[in-house]
Amino acid sequence: SQKIEQNSEALNIQEGKTATLTCNYTNYSPAYLQWYRQDPGRGPVFLLLIRENEKEKRKERLKVTFDTTLKQSLFHITASQPADSATYLCALGGGGGYQKVTFGTGTKLQVIP
Amino acid sequence: GAVVSQHPSRVICKSGTSVKIECRSLDFQATTMFWYRQFPKQSLMLMATSNEGSKATYEQGVEKDKFLINHASLTLSTLTVTSAHPEDSSFYICSARLPGSGLDEQFFGPGTRLTVL
Repeated sequence: SQKIEQNSEALNIQEGKTATLTCNYTNYSPAYLQWYRQDPGRGPVFLLLIRENEKEKRKERLKVTFDTTLKQSLFHITASQPADSATYLCALGGGGGYQKVTFGTGTKLQVIP
Repeated sequence: GAVVSQHPSRVICKSGTSVKIECRSLDFQATTMFWYRQFPKQSLMLMATSNEGSKATYEQGVEKDKFLINHASLTLSTLTVTSAHPEDSSFYICSARLPGSGLDEQFFGPGTRLTVL
């Protein structure tokens, strides 16, 4: 069955450093992959989308890579700030209906001042 | 940006009662909305896809008679949890896509915390 894995352990990182979060998937051939941010008790907020034919995408301090051979996406936040502390979700789409996305469980990031 | 609202943000009800949750797209028309459920420290699980003017498409394992979805207009979808029980307590979130936006993003509502006593 399809499986999306994100680090279940919280990631603690010092302010100013680069945070790297991982999303691995199996039994899935997504057409695209998305990253969302979710704060406690709130709905997710879209950050970036990368398509299967793209290797890398950037937006301000954010960078996403997508390796369809390794079945992995890496999400980087450079010059991290305490305000970046949140749970980050990856979501894969394109299987079982093009509009439908399947979410990972998320990784909680804590940026320490 | 596109805004999606949900009401109520929090509801507590007694076991056996029904609860209605509203999802509205405030500044755009959404032909398709999605309903998710999220348990603590777990992923968002898609419950159903709500299509304006037609029946919702439910995911496997989701009881359509238990979770009634009505998408009566281009800006409003409702989820009714019928005869709620404590195991239905969860965080319910809706989302919508901007028409013509392709795959770029889903706009999520702020969520509704349901507690069934």
